[in-house]
Amino acid sequence: NAGVTQTPKFRVLKTGQSMTLLCAQDMNHEYMYWYRQDPGMGLRLIHYSVGEGTTAKGEVPDGYNVSRLKKQNFLLGLESAAPSQTSVYFCASRTGWGKNIQYFGAGTRLSVL
Amino acid sequence: GIQVEQSPPDLILQEGANSTLRCNFSDSVNNLQWFHQNPWGQLINLFYIPSGTKQNGRLSATTVATERYSLLYISSSQTTDSGVYFCAYGSGNTGKLIFGQGTTLQVKP
Repeated sequence: NAGVTQTPKFRVLKTGQSMTLLCAQDMNHEYMYWYRQDPGMGLRLIHYSVGEGTTAKGEVPDGYNVSRLKKQNFLLGLESAAPSQTSVYFCASRTGWGKNIQYFGAGTRLSVL
Repeated sequence: GIQVEQSPPDLILQEGANSTLRCNFSDSVNNLQWFHQNPWGQLINLFYIPSGTKQNGRLSATTVATERYSLLYISSSQTTDSGVYFCAYGSGNTGKLIFGQGTTLQVKP
C-alpha cells in the first residue's frame, strides 16, 4: 500500500515553462488537495477536489490549474511558471466521511529560475 | 477565517528534556491535528485531537476547544524528534486544512 505518491520529487524550470505535477493515491479517497509550502511557513491550499470530475479553488489558486479525471489521480499544472512559484508542493487525500485525517505525499520541490 | 498561532517559533533542547508546544485559535474549531515535518520534509500525522487528551508513546496532546488552544507534549526528547511541528484545523465541509506557521524543534545530543 503506497498511500499518496507524488511525481516528480524535484524539478527545475525556467520562467515561462510549463509542467504538471502528478498525485496518485491508492486508498480510494474521495477528497484530494494540493498545498504549497514556502520557507518558514505552514502549508497553504492551492486547489482541492471533493470527488472525481470536481475541482475548486483554495487560498492561493492563481497561476495553477488542476484536473481530477480519475478518482485516484489529482494533477496540478503550471502553464507559465514564475519565480514566485518556487516552493515545495504537497498533495494530500482523505475519505469523504468520518474524521478529517489527511494523508500527505512526500512533496515535490520546484525551483523556477 | 480563523487565525492559528503557534508558540514558540523555535525551540532548542538537550536530548532527554521535556517540552510543550502550544497552538492558539482565534475562534473555536471542531477538529484539530498535529503534524511533524521531519528534516527530509515528510509530513507525518501525530494526532487527530478535536478535544480531550491522547497519548502515543513519548508524545501526548491536549485540546481544550472551549478555551481555543491545543498543547503538544514531548517527553524525554530524542534527536529524531527534530523538525517542524504544525497544528492545523479542518475548515468547512471540504475539510481543507489551515496550518499554523509551525514550531521548529532542534534536539541536541
